[in-house]
Amino acid sequence: DSGVTQTPKHLITATGQRVTLRCSPRSGDLSVYWYQQSLDQGLQFLIQYYNGEERAKGNILERFSAQQFPDLHSELNLSSLELGDSALYFCASSTLTDTQYFGPGTRLTVL
Amino acid sequence: AQRVTQPEKLLSVFKGAPVELKCNYSYSGSPELFWYVQYSRQRLQLLLRHISRESIKGFTADLNKGETSFHLKKPFAQEEDSAMYYCAPLSGGYNKLIFGAGTRLAVHP
Repeated sequence: DSGVTQTPKHLITATGQRVTLRCSPRSGDLSVYWYQQSLDQGLQFLIQYYNGEERAKGNILERFSAQQFPDLHSELNLSSLELGDSALYFCASSTLTDTQYFGPGTRLTVL
Repeated sequence: AQRVTQPEKLLSVFKGAPVELKCNYSYSGSPELFWYVQYSRQRLQLLLRHISRESIKGFTADLNKGETSFHLKKPFAQEEDSAMYYCAPLSGGYNKLIFGAGTRLAVHP
């Protein structure tokens, strides 16, 4: 167990809908990262937050957004969902320059 | 652009055989490199970090700056080593991991 938690484990929804994925980092970690793992694109970095502020952006679509709250948990919001958004979404946490520890992921299925 | 290449999609070996999973990177500056392992599409688990120079579950990896490689090795594979292995350099400045495509290791009895 890495200490990073993610909810829900599974999410099934329809095209056009909006969902929110939640991540709680390890105790003491200020940095949260979101990654997407899909069969065709592999593992891709989406976005990073550090102590509530956006720090880096990767291949994140405009339909997707994230935030990190004062208690350091983070949410990834996915809207206007398309079939191609079906993937495993991982959250990871770290101190600013240390190793990233991953959560169990949320499996999103868009029908 | 920073890139990482894992040339083998699948590596199939028998139990007890040596294993080498290849990783090559293109990177400016001094890279920090990691190997992560993923069992059955579960969470990614840290296997090795090059600066720690540890051996985890019998795996080792040496950073070769001349060849820009960070190959993962194990002298005697076990069936429980069957998993996906990802090489990932840390992108300088922003602490984001750049993952390779991964290599599936299948260890047969």
